[in-house]
Amino acid sequence: DIQMTQSPSTLSASVGDRVTITCRASQSISSWLAWYEQKPGKAPKLLIYKASSLESGVPSRFSGSGSGTEFTLTISSLQPDDFATYYCQQYHSYPLTFGGGTKVEIK
Amino acid sequence: EVQLVESGGGLVQPGGSLRLSCEPSGFTFSDHYMDWVRQAPGKGLEWVARSRNEANSYTTEYAASVKGRFTISRDASKNSLYLQMNSLRTEDTAVYYCARVSAAVPGADDCWGQGTLVTVSS
Repeated sequence: DIQMTQSPSTLSASVGDRVTITCRASQSISSWLAWYEQKPGKAPKLLIYKASSLESGVPSRFSGSGSGTEFTLTISSLQPDDFATYYCQQYHSYPLTFGGGTKVEIK
Repeated sequence: EVQLVESGGGLVQPGGSLRLSCEPSGFTFSDHYMDWVRQAPGKGLEWVARSRNEANSYTTEYAASVKGRFTISRDASKNSLYLQMNSLRTEDTAVYYCARVSAAVPGADDCWGQGTLVTVSS
């Protein structure tokens, strides 16, 4: 199975900050990586697919990069609505696997 | 509008069975792969099962933790996705989400239901 490791697990930041979350795969997944945002009590929401493609309707302050085994999600200027938990997911091979999540908290 | 609505969750004893349903709307169900993803209380996301689309004969994939106990299926006539869960264990307690896989294959889960809570406890 491909293991997905996210860091950090928790991140404290202020509105307007630039935030970067890292996701590492235990083996190459090419660009088959997605990022999701989840707020308490809600379903996850797709933000980024194929490592760097922005899902329709997602604000342009979100961006993704990377390929192979190392990936990043960047929020260029953190907004109040962005305080949430973020997950990466590989869909290169079965079983599909998620990272452990990164909770973005208010500093 | 694309929508997924899950139902069927509830309290069940260890060793029992439950069937979850997911009703899609706003898109051609047969064209898309579909997933079940779960989230134990206070924990992260875990992929459970996948049903490929009609073009791929609705073939299936499972996580090792549920293989042999859970079955994902579709009823095209009822336009519904199901997850039959047998031999339930306390560790299966979670919110179960139905998710649509985007049209591009391989694809990410681009639309999710609201989730249904399954509690396995005596």
